[in-house]
Amino acid sequence: KQEVTQIPAALSVPEGENLVLNCSFTDSAIYNLQWFRQDPGKGLTSLLLIQSSQREQTSGRLNASLDKSSGRSTLYIAASQPGDSATYLCAPGGTSYGKLTFGQGTILTVHP
Amino acid sequence: GAVVSQHPSWVICKSGTSVKIECRSLDFQATTMFWYRQFPKQSLMLMATSNEGSKATYEQGVEKDKFLINHASLTLSTLTVTSAHPEDSSFYICSATRTGGSYGYTFGSGTRLTVV
Repeated sequence: KQEVTQIPAALSVPEGENLVLNCSFTDSAIYNLQWFRQDPGKGLTSLLLIQSSQREQTSGRLNASLDKSSGRSTLYIAASQPGDSATYLCAPGGTSYGKLTFGQGTILTVHP
Repeated sequence: GAVVSQHPSWVICKSGTSVKIECRSLDFQATTMFWYRQFPKQSLMLMATSNEGSKATYEQGVEKDKFLINHASLTLSTLTVTSAHPEDSSFYICSATRTGGSYGYTFGSGTRLTVV
């Protein structure tokens, strides 16, 4: 059974800082891994999708890396902004039905 | 692209009644749809996986007779909470994917269900 751990559980930083969010998973036999953000009371917004054969993906100020063999993924956020405040979820996708397993998330607060 | 619409966004119902939640993929054909439940300040818990035209696969501990899932077309899945009780109050989110997830997963905006 896949288990996902995200560290830190919460992070509060001043605007402008570069951030690192960590995700580890126990079963390395994944199809892909996706990072999402969730705003309070809302659904999930996909940030980055990394296929199992890839090492990283970039979108604007976001960069996600994947080390499948060691069961780790890292999300880098450059020059953080108050609008980045949300819960960030890491979800490796298994090969069985393609379902995702979620970590508990990292609650990010960026203050002006 | 890859938009999933979920309705209603919130619903209040009386105990004992049934509530239907719809999940539609607007610009792609969703071979597989998923239904999640989320309790306050907790992560998403997968309830069931549904493939178009076949019966849903429920996760352990999820009552299939209480949470009826129908995936009659490649763009629509519905979750019906039957005989709802206050303990069914929660945030329900659907997601959809094409061809086993290789394109990633797109989530709906969620439905806040309150049973009074």
